[in-house]
Amino acid sequence: DAGITQSPRHKVTETGTPVTLRCHQTENHRYMYWYRQDPGHGLRLIHYSYGVKDTDKGEVSDGYSVSRSKTEDFLLTLESATSSQTSVYFCAISRNRDTNTEAFFGQGTRLTVV
Amino acid sequence: DQQVKQNSPSLSVQEGRISILNCDYTNSMFDYFLWYKKYPAEGPTFLISISSIKDKNEDGRFTVFLNKSAKHLSLHIVPSQPGDSAVYFCAASDGSGGSNYKLTFGKGTLLTVNP
Repeated sequence: DAGITQSPRHKVTETGTPVTLRCHQTENHRYMYWYRQDPGHGLRLIHYSYGVKDTDKGEVSDGYSVSRSKTEDFLLTLESATSSQTSVYFCAISRNRDTNTEAFFGQGTRLTVV
Repeated sequence: DQQVKQNSPSLSVQEGRISILNCDYTNSMFDYFLWYKKYPAEGPTFLISISSIKDKNEDGRFTVFLNKSAKHLSLHIVPSQPGDSAVYFCAASDGSGGSNYKLTFGKGTLLTVNP
């Protein structure tokens, strides 16, 4: 298994509070991603990173910010959580940008905003 | 606009028979396609992939077929086993301009293999 750890695995938070999810990798992969999975929507990309301090938006980035100060850590922050951000969040990593590169996923973080 | 489409939310097959999962895409720049398998409460796991320069890739019981002209790919599982019951996601990436470091996923198909 790829060395990806997501924390926390489960979290319940109140509307309007800030929340930070952490993804830690031990593979030294360059690329890291945050996806969310929702019924009827599959996996949607929130933000991704192509190197330390290099990040970009995905298709559902509104309400989220990310930071990557070290190769191994990619943080996803919900500045003010809303009920629509209740979801399962997956971190993924991939080795490089060459063709034929798959992404490896973490175990997920289940976030509930009440 | 959904670029990767899995139009069948669910599929049920008998153990030992063939399972065929389908995926369509709209972005002609996609050049690498993957299938992921996901069990409940776990992260997706990579299953098999195919480059756009090929039309078939086989790995044990799993075969992926790519029809570029139709922008269609399919995953065949033969023979199907109860342990194959999971959600299967189709994904694609675009290698042009160096943007192939992100994957676009379909909504998934829930496969149930009945004993």
